[in-house]
Order: sequence, then C-alpha cells, then structure tokens
Amino acid sequence: QKEVEQDPGPLSVPEGAIVSLNCTYSNSAFQYFMWYRQYSRKGPELLMYTYSSGNKEDGRFTAQVDKSSKYISLFIRDSQPSDSATYLCAMTSGYSSASKIIFGSGTRLSIRP
Amino acid sequence: NAGVTQTPKFQVLKTGQSMTLQCAQDMNHEYMSWYRQDPGMGLRLIHYSVGAGITDQGEVPNGYNVSRSTTEDFPLRLLSAAPSQTSVYFCASRGGQSAFFGQGTRLTVV
Repeated sequence: QKEVEQDPGPLSVPEGAIVSLNCTYSNSAFQYFMWYRQYSRKGPELLMYTYSSGNKEDGRFTAQVDKSSKYISLFIRDSQPSDSATYLCAMTSGYSSASKIIFGSGTRLSIRP
Repeated sequence: NAGVTQTPKFQVLKTGQSMTLQCAQDMNHEYMSWYRQDPGMGLRLIHYSVGAGITDQGEVPNGYNVSRSTTEDFPLRLLSAAPSQTSVYFCASRGGQSAFFGQGTRLTVV
C-alpha cells in the first residue's frame, strides 16, 4: 500500500463548478500537508500548505485536513479554465530535511469553458 | 532570484551514452533532491542531499549518480543510459516543509 493515495482522474468539470480533490494517507506522523499545481510540461509549484488539522483559505482555494480520518482535500470555487492542471498532494512529518516529502501521484483536472 | 534552474530542458540519448543533468538553486537551501516523473507513477525520489558533501539514495537510485560539491549545485549523472530511463526529471530544493521545483528535463533514450 502506498503511503499517499490520490485518484488520478482525469476529472472534467464545467467552468464555475466547485471542484473537490482528495488524498488519503496511512502515516499518522504526517503533520505538514501541501498541494502543488503542475501545468503541462512545467514543474510543480506550491499552491497551498497547512499544518495539522483544520482549514486554510486562499482566494478561491480551500485546503482541508482531517487527521483523524487521514484525509486531505483541496476545494476550488468558481473554477476557471486556467485551473486546468494536475494537482499533487504532498505531506511530511517534520520541518527538517530528515523528513522526506511524500507525494501523491496527482489528479488531472480539466475545466471546460 | 531565479529559484531552481535545470538544464537542459530536452535531451535525446542513445542507449549506453552517459550525460549529466544540471541543477542549480539560489535560495541557499541545504536540502536538494532529484525526482523522476512517469505517467501514473507520480514523483519518485532518485537521490537527495542534505548539504554539501552529503548525498543519499532515494526510492529509485539505480543507474544514477549524484555529487554535491557546493550548496548551489546538484548534478545528476546517468552512467549508461537505458530506455527505461526515458522520463521527465525534476530537481527540487527544500525550504522548511515545502519543496521548490525546477522546470524539468525531458529525457528520451532511444
């Protein structure tokens, strides 16, 4: 079993829809949770990061962490065609370089105009 | 502030050839790493370094070598290229809990 599981999609939704992207994980030591966005033929870029459980909002994006269920989500409101990309979740147990960052395999999202 | 810079962006190699993928960062991060990304496999860690002179293996190290002589540079060497090494390679440096990626090198081995 992988440490981090992520539905690969592809997920296709109409413009303006609310998008929900999710990951599950097995390591209860993870404390830092991140979402990366990767456009086609580009490197992943950090979109949001949260520490421990709870919600974090940044514009149209909301990251949610439920450590009791080992489940994290990224919500995109009023989705735009420019949000079409692959979204990777990532997590780590600590701040130091000794704690490896584990990535999900990514969900490919397409927003239809 | 360029972040993480990778060269080249594209490369075609013949089986058995060797080459070095270059990676440089200007954020003074101690931790740097190399990943390969294949369809359906996500990002897999090849090698990483926690500082100059210190390197270690990741999940898929076979066929690759690394060295870290300076904080800024972390080159990845393919010793004898094989078609199985056809992939997109990303270098990343780590600041705190987050990784910052280069734009990738798309490598094809024929």
